[in-house]
Amino acid sequence: DAGVIQSPRHEVTEMGQEVTLRCKPISGHDYLFWYRQTMMRGLELLIYFNNNVPIDDSGMPEDRFSAKMPNASFSTLKIQPSEPRDSAVYFCASRTGLYGYTFGSGTRLTVV
Amino acid sequence: GENVEQHPSTLSVQEGDSAVIKCTYSDSASNYFPWYKQELGKGPQLIIDIRSNVGEKKDQRIAVTLNKTAKHFSLHITETQPEDSAVYFCAASGKRGANNLFFGTGTRLTVIP
Repeated sequence: DAGVIQSPRHEVTEMGQEVTLRCKPISGHDYLFWYRQTMMRGLELLIYFNNNVPIDDSGMPEDRFSAKMPNASFSTLKIQPSEPRDSAVYFCASRTGLYGYTFGSGTRLTVV
Repeated sequence: GENVEQHPSTLSVQEGDSAVIKCTYSDSASNYFPWYKQELGKGPQLIIDIRSNVGEKKDQRIAVTLNKTAKHFSLHITETQPEDSAVYFCAASGKRGANNLFFGTGTRLTVIP
């Protein structure tokens, strides 16, 4: 099992550019979560999906953020346009059953 | 929403000693409390969790205790080893249960050989 796979590992972009982060959950996991980690705010839930359907996006900070899950093996988090305050580490996690997330290794985003 | 506080923010112990990290939460409806270990450059990894129907759970050198009345829970690591050095996060479930975890701010544990 390769675990939760995120790409890219690092992304540096200029303010105003579109950024797309990618996630491949563990096969068979029916829940997928996007988290953001910053020094100031710690780990925050942005959005989660169940069986590819977005269930709760109340953590998405602004309309500039959007997430999709077109199938059970792929999800994207898009920021358009990006701003310096979006700089953070973005984690994807997946799980099945009631408990026990598995996190990916994260994407470190820097917006300059 | 849920508010989770975690202490201390940093902790240094000698190899072989015990380490204790404490968390408090605000929502009495929370019923799931996981602990995660995050090593440099990696995502958080679940190391142990406890549900509200038990007061203590052990897994080898790691144990977690829960006091629902006082709304606090703790992580205990015994016989610490250098590879235990990492950032540890507690979390408590929100209104959507385990689908919505609220994390503490983390404790950086350093085990000195």
